[in-house]
Amino acid sequence: GQNIDQPTEMTATEGAIVQINCTYQTSGFNGLFWYQQHAGEAPTFLSYNVLDGLEEKGRFSSFLSRSKGYSYLLLKELQMKDSASYLCAVLDSNYQLIWGAGTKLIIKP
Amino acid sequence: GAGVSQSPRYKVAKRGQDVALRCDPISGHVSLFWYQQALGQGPEFLTYFQNEAQLDKSGLPSDRFFAERPEGSVSTLKIQRTQQEDSAVYLCASILSDSLVETQYFGPGTRLLVL
Repeated sequence: GQNIDQPTEMTATEGAIVQINCTYQTSGFNGLFWYQQHAGEAPTFLSYNVLDGLEEKGRFSSFLSRSKGYSYLLLKELQMKDSASYLCAVLDSNYQLIWGAGTKLIIKP
Repeated sequence: GAGVSQSPRYKVAKRGQDVALRCDPISGHVSLFWYQQALGQGPEFLTYFQNEAQLDKSGLPSDRFFAERPEGSVSTLKIQRTQQEDSAVYLCASILSDSLVETQYFGPGTRLLVL
């Protein structure tokens, strides 16, 4: 079966750095997405990786290793507004998005 | 429009009642998706349209679920004879083209509670 694993919850301090990991086992791979979802709101796009390596976009970076079935989202200079769920999703061989359950990130002052 | 909109935002239904959930994608967007998201879970794929054609409905959980997009813009997800296990957030997303590697833009969702 297809499986996306990410930690259920993480806590970090304002101004610090946090890394949210995602491992996947899917039938085929056409890229990996990270989305941010605030409570009660729509998921919003953060990043897309299809090749191995690190993609940096402001305070957020995303890394992919296809051989290891592994990705991480790195958030720097954490702000209180970064408190949200972070969803990892893989586009499989049928171009269908397979989603993880999300990691709830709690930022403390 | 400026973004994907969905209505109603909240719906309470009695078990056995039929409901209809509406999605207005971003104007001009070709591809449209419906997802079901249970509390504390990621979205689960339900169905996908390219213009008015429903190309994939493999995620619909039963024949009580039906979706349409007759003119290739607005879409409606209908659930007949609702059951308590249908309680979830129903998300709609759209993509500008028919390329599925593009970013999906999500609506705020409809929160359905079946009593």
